[in-house]
Amino acid sequence: GQNIDQPTEMTATEGAIVQINCTYQTSGFNGLFWYQQHAGEAPTFLSYNVLDGLEEKGRFSSFLSRSKGYSYLLLKELQMKDSASYLCAVRDSGSWGKLQFGAGTQVVVTP
Amino acid sequence: DARVTQTPRHKVTEMGQEVTMRCQPILGHNTVFWYRQTMMQGLELLAYFRNRAPLDDSGMPKDRFSAEMPDATLATLKIQPSEPRDSAVYFCASGLSSGRVPGQGTITPTSYEQYFGPGTRLTVT
Repeated sequence: GQNIDQPTEMTATEGAIVQINCTYQTSGFNGLFWYQQHAGEAPTFLSYNVLDGLEEKGRFSSFLSRSKGYSYLLLKELQMKDSASYLCAVRDSGSWGKLQFGAGTQVVVTP
Repeated sequence: DARVTQTPRHKVTEMGQEVTMRCQPILGHNTVFWYRQTMMQGLELLAYFRNRAPLDDSGMPKDRFSAEMPDATLATLKIQPSEPRDSAVYFCASGLSSGRVPGQGTITPTSYEQYFGPGTRLTVT
């Protein structure tokens, strides 16, 4: 099974940077995903890491260290619309796509 | 713009009634997942299918829940009888996994993200 930990809530001001950490303990690993979920909506895919290192996608970047069981999602130049829950999810070994999700980090962006 | 669709979007029912939720995955996707989300438990995987075959339904209470894929364009999740503790948002998601897909040959996707439908908000009173 998987054990996935991420902070419950983070607050930051518009224009700032926020880093959401995710640690995991797994019996198997084949990739880590970050999803964004606005209140009352479905999760939407943000990023995917399967190798160590940083993946950058516009204002969002995601980092993975497999040896440490650690990932972070970096949100730069925060905008009010970035207020949402950010879910870390780990995929089991194999390529069947089964994910286990963390509880999510609620990011609150203030003016 | 391909997307996963789910019906109904909202369902209010009385305890003991049967509930059926439907999902249409994105055309061409070969894996379908059912999740349940509550404030207390977060997002939990209930069951998933690959090429319409059930792969894992260990997250589902077997005595009252059942999941099927009668064809490649329809997945169903049924609760009978429903209970108040089943109140939650139920999401369907679809994606591509590598391997051989009937009618499409061998697939090796570059990533394995899942695309979520809008969810069915179920309230059991």
